[in-house]
Amino acid sequence: GAGVSQSPRYKVAKRGQDVALRCDPISGHVSLFWYQQALGQGPEFLTYFQNEAQLDKSGLPSDRFFAERPEGSVSTLKIQRTQQEDSAVYLCASSLSAGVSSYEQYFGPGTRLTVT
Amino acid sequence: AQSVTQPDIHITVSEGASLELRCNYSYGATPYLFWYVQSPGQGLQLLLKYFSGDTLVQGIKGFEAEFKRSQSSFNLRKPSVHWSDAAEYFCAVQGGAGNMLTFGGGTRLMVKP
Repeated sequence: GAGVSQSPRYKVAKRGQDVALRCDPISGHVSLFWYQQALGQGPEFLTYFQNEAQLDKSGLPSDRFFAERPEGSVSTLKIQRTQQEDSAVYLCASSLSAGVSSYEQYFGPGTRLTVT
Repeated sequence: AQSVTQPDIHITVSEGASLELRCNYSYGATPYLFWYVQSPGQGLQLLLKYFSGDTLVQGIKGFEAEFKRSQSSFNLRKPSVHWSDAAEYFCAVQGGAGNMLTFGGGTRLMVKP
């Protein structure tokens, strides 16, 4: 079946612009995660949804970052007034459930954001 | 808080040689551990995972990993490397918010012909 998809795959933004990154999780997956992967580093947790509820946003680096999942499926990560340090690959992952640890997280291909 | 350390940033091996990638973790409870592989421009693909039971786990593409609680390690191994194994490898521990993953910094594997 279809995996996790993300769009756009690449985004170039001028400093100060707002951007919106989309994630389509696997159908029926309850949990959705956003991670940020800076160049040459491992992914770092940003935020987590269970259905439409954002249960943890402790990893969001500033109040310029905002995520939503209004109907419990598609999620959007929005970054306002982008800065150069926001340049990274943004990965989305979904999981069948959060309550059972054995459920694997399936990752999308990521969106590479470059802020100029 | 949990953490993962991958001591080797880059490793180069010859095709056909054996491979071991190191991973050390810090976690307060029984860890759930993962190895992912990332090829250029691709997302993360799960190679294998450890939850409990047998400490030697088998994964896809001929990879295996051994959990050693006394050493807080979860090293990835492959007996004979293929050129297509060249990629970035990430070790991760699961826990915290919704069972989020905490990743190490990654090890970039290069394979010499």
